[in-house]
Amino acid sequence: DGGITQSPKYLFRKEGQNVTLSCEQNLNHDAMYWYRQDPGQGLRLIYYSQIVNDFQKGDIAEGYSVSREKKESFPLTVTSAQKNPTAFYLCASTSYRGQGNQPQHFGDGTRLSIL
Amino acid sequence: SQQGEEDPQALSIQEGENATMNCSYKTSINNLQWYRQNSGRGLVHLILIRSNEREKHSGRLRVTLDTSKKSSSLLITASRAADTASYFCARGYGGTSYGKLTFGQGTILTVHP
Repeated sequence: DGGITQSPKYLFRKEGQNVTLSCEQNLNHDAMYWYRQDPGQGLRLIYYSQIVNDFQKGDIAEGYSVSREKKESFPLTVTSAQKNPTAFYLCASTSYRGQGNQPQHFGDGTRLSIL
Repeated sequence: SQQGEEDPQALSIQEGENATMNCSYKTSINNLQWYRQNSGRGLVHLILIRSNEREKHSGRLRVTLDTSKKSSSLLITASRAADTASYFCARGYGGTSYGKLTFGQGTILTVHP
């Protein structure tokens, strides 16, 4: 079945450590997105990518970095510069091409906590 | 800000009752989407309604869009305990927005058996 796979499901970060969250999709979607969700809150956009080797900052990019070397993969690194990383991270993809929007497909998230 | 509001923040009903959730926004949209999130899981797309549409149905779901009032509503009819989840509206602006969506804070729906 096609879908989005996020790993790991739970992740713990030590002080001063960078951690990388994995997101892989086999939907042949062009666009991919990373969101952060805090308890009882909506989703806030961290980074997004429309094509391979290109990505843009979202609303809360500080302290995060991404890469898009393959169409299927869009890993997110939470750097030590992100002082409040504890949150639920969601990856999504869509078959966006040009104008308008299509539904976004989501993975099941990675819950990141501080040790 | 392109953010809007959803209300109510929480809704508690009995099985069989209807549930209505509302979403307002400030900036003109290309489309509006509704998503569902079960606790600890990712979001699941429910319905997309475009700015030139006024109403869409999918099973027990009915979505309306009033662009003059910049608001949308999601109606779930004959609710079931399995409908218990958080529901989010998301605004799409089309154009050069690269398919980005702006999500609301969500409505937590609890359906009691």
